[in-house]
Amino acid sequence: QQQVKQSPQSLIVQKGGISIINCAYENTAFDYFPWYQQFPGKGPALLIAIRPDVSEKKEGRFTISFNKSAKQFSLHIMDSQPGDSATYFCAAARYNQGGKLIFGQGTELSVKP
Amino acid sequence: EAGVAQSPRYKIIEKRQSVAFWCNPISGHATLYWYQQILGQGPKLLIQFQNNGVVDDSQLPKDRFSAERLKGVDSTLKIQPAKLEDSAVYLCASRPTYQGSGGTSNTGELFFGEGSRLTVL
Repeated sequence: QQQVKQSPQSLIVQKGGISIINCAYENTAFDYFPWYQQFPGKGPALLIAIRPDVSEKKEGRFTISFNKSAKQFSLHIMDSQPGDSATYFCAAARYNQGGKLIFGQGTELSVKP
Repeated sequence: EAGVAQSPRYKIIEKRQSVAFWCNPISGHATLYWYQQILGQGPKLLIQFQNNGVVDDSQLPKDRFSAERLKGVDSTLKIQPAKLEDSAVYLCASRPTYQGSGGTSNTGELFFGEGSRLTVL
């Protein structure tokens, strides 16, 4: 019940296209859903996050869509750029209980010029 | 503001040997985490500290792994004896605490270091 399932495992997108990564969770107690971006040799860095009181959050080219009833959330990257090539992790946590993040398996995104 | 510092960045050891990793979190961050990231997988929490006390170590293999956070600042993670399956990147992260209107609470963001890559031969 603690799992977060992420798909696809890898994704190739043309420059200017839309990248979509999906995640599903099981534990309904989760109330904080961040996306982290990781470049090779670096630690993950927070990209964008959402709480379940909203169904969508947008920051620049990055949008999280959240479906509470389906227990699913997704990351959309609009106008994808080669610099977006990285590994993306979704995660889930109980916000006020220490912030222990349960990460998905990761999606390796490659944006072709 | 300086980020989370970790050392060493790389370590190669033989199985059954011991290894220690060091982490210096962002100044003022009360919460510190150690995560294990096996190649091709997402990070998995090993242990969480709040100041110098352990909050959650349920995923820490205590027969071989130990961690401490003396004085509530720096932390060390030790593996003894190492096994082949311990080959991974060990990530340290810290999290700020702020005083909200309803009392002390945490912001959501974890700040990660660059990690220590361990290879066990």
